[in-house]
Amino acid sequence: NAGVTQTPKFQVLKTGQSMTLQCAQDMNHEYMSWYRQDPGMGLRLIHYSVGAGITDQGEVPNGYNVSRSTTEDFPLRLLSAAPSQTSVYFCASLETNTGELFFGEGSRLTVL
Amino acid sequence: GQQVMQIPQYQHVQEGEDFTTYCNSSTTLSNIQWYKQRPGGHPVFLIQLVKSGEVKKQKRLTFQFGEAKKNSSLHITATQTTDVGTYFCAAASFGNEKLTFGTGTRLTIIP
Repeated sequence: NAGVTQTPKFQVLKTGQSMTLQCAQDMNHEYMSWYRQDPGMGLRLIHYSVGAGITDQGEVPNGYNVSRSTTEDFPLRLLSAAPSQTSVYFCASLETNTGELFFGEGSRLTVL
Repeated sequence: GQQVMQIPQYQHVQEGEDFTTYCNSSTTLSNIQWYKQRPGGHPVFLIQLVKSGEVKKQKRLTFQFGEAKKNSSLHITATQTTDVGTYFCAAASFGNEKLTFGTGTRLTIIP
């Protein structure tokens, strides 16, 4: 099993550009989520999904969109990037039996 | 919303010394988890605590959940260089099972 796979690992954008961070998991987990990590602020939940076709907002959803058309994939879209969205983004999926979150390796995004 | 405070923010210890990080919540928790993130890496699950007063051990790591289920601690005995990283607690409240992460404690080891 590959676990949780995120792409790209690094991305530089200009203000106003759009992009999609991809996330895929092969563990058949229903719950998936996106976090951003900023220095001194821990991990903050952006959006999450409890299954295909269902998404909901987390703590910091503004400026981000998500969709969940399949169990495996949970892409995160930035429609118009802003410097405040410079961060490291982590996708995670949940093993409900143990409560364990499995994280991807992260995507480092810089918005100029 | 739920807030989870974690202290200290940084801890520098000599190799072989002990290390403790504390996590405190303003609300009663249904469970608490601990994660470790190596420099440049991603968070990795260590353990989940569910019961009031629960104590769990993993080799040199001891995890405790407070009696009131509002606080938790992670203690490492005789630190080693492999313990370097940031330790996060992640808490879930009753009726809101979304995890809220603490700000983390960054542990550095002086050889």
